[in-house]
Amino acid sequence: GAVVSQHPSWVICKSGTSVKIECRSLDFQATTMFWYRQFPKQSLMLMATSNEGSKATYEQGVEKDKFLINHASLTLSTLTVTSAHPEDSSFYICSAVPVGGLGYGYTFGSGTRLTVV
Amino acid sequence: QKEVEQDPGPLSVPEGAIVSLNCTYSNSAFQYFMWYRQYSRKGPELLMYTYSSGNKEDGRFTAQVDKSSKYISLFIRDSQPSDSATYLCAMSAQGNNRLAFGKGNQVVVIP
Repeated sequence: GAVVSQHPSWVICKSGTSVKIECRSLDFQATTMFWYRQFPKQSLMLMATSNEGSKATYEQGVEKDKFLINHASLTLSTLTVTSAHPEDSSFYICSAVPVGGLGYGYTFGSGTRLTVV
Repeated sequence: QKEVEQDPGPLSVPEGAIVSLNCTYSNSAFQYFMWYRQYSRKGPELLMYTYSSGNKEDGRFTAQVDKSSKYISLFIRDSQPSDSATYLCAMSAQGNNRLAFGKGNQVVVIP
């Protein structure tokens, strides 16, 4: 149980275009999902906390107009990188917290490697 | 001082050896402790989850939490080449869903 599906697993896009990444909890409901960014050989950096039915909370230094987050249902959150630039190239990972909180640990998606050319 | 300290390694061990990893932390409010394994270009996979102090064993993996010392450990017995990965410790406080991560420890098991 506790499977999180993230799609796509990799994407290449042209500079100036937008890319949408989906994060789905397959067998549980998640009131909270998190979006992380990870650079090579570094740990995960929290970008934003996504709560179902409300606005996302962004970490300091993360541009909310550039990284649009939507959490429209208890099983789906999306991250849209708008007007992507090469410096946005990175590994993006989502995680989901089951309804009821941390009693089961966090489950992460398999990640999305974004390359902006 | 960072909330969670984890020596990034790397750590190389021969196949069959015991791998010992640890993290220290500064926030005494942390109650939930997790270890994740991350293969290259993949998302972290939850290995062990512990609430408060104590030991937990799952197959070849043992997690220990010592809240009095603010120290957690992960042991991998009979290590296999397939255990070669980066291991991340993570923790969170009661009522706070945000995770604090260690930097990750790269482990290489040599056949």
